[in-house]
Amino acid sequence: EVQLVESGGGSVHPGRSLRLSCAASGFTFDNHAMNWVRKRPGKGLEWVSGIDWNGARIGYADSVKGRFTISRDNDKNFLFLQMTSLRPEDTAFYYCVKKSHDYGGHFEHWGQGTLVTVSS
Amino acid sequence: SYELTQPPSVSVSPGQTARITCSGDGLPKTYTYWYQQKSGQVPVVVIYEDIRRPSGIPERFSGSTSGTMATLTISGAQVEDEADYYCFSQDITADHRGVFGGGTKLTVL
Repeated sequence: EVQLVESGGGSVHPGRSLRLSCAASGFTFDNHAMNWVRKRPGKGLEWVSGIDWNGARIGYADSVKGRFTISRDNDKNFLFLQMTSLRPEDTAFYYCVKKSHDYGGHFEHWGQGTLVTVSS
Repeated sequence: SYELTQPPSVSVSPGQTARITCSGDGLPKTYTYWYQQKSGQVPVVVIYEDIRRPSGIPERFSGSTSGTMATLTISGAQVEDEADYYCFSQDITADHRGVFGGGTKLTVL
């Protein structure tokens, strides 16, 4: 059974940093691209960042580019999102999402999400 | 920045056809994906690569594209289809950037 378990969320002040982790199991991790998607309160889904199977291709939404860094550890089956210079508008549930392919494909499995709250 | 535009809401009666559109200048160059999100649940893909339907998704769900617009059609919508629907595309050949549409609330009653 595919499992994606996010951790690392919490409540922080603006300008601070957080590192989200996603522990993956139940599938061959390095066969799949991985993404982070967030949902802000009362808003729709927002794609945040994606990384292909070996980290060669990485993309970021304009809203987080230069502040967030995605990475993966294929030996330990983990996906990460390093978030710096956090803003109140980054407040959201952050979901770790597995894609169907190593490079492209659709969002196949979702974690249950971790809540990040940025507030003074 | 690249955007996908969806109508905020669509309302139909049970058995009617619901059509949800998604427009974006980049759509001719990328695949469109459609996700259904019911209240309190994670999203589920209902259409991938413009027109393909995953196993387990009812045949009443179909996708189409024409130029800069993609359409999700639910033929004979059921009450259980009431949900938020999001289109998504990602330019995996260039900057690997993805984008969701703003979402469409489908009401079936």
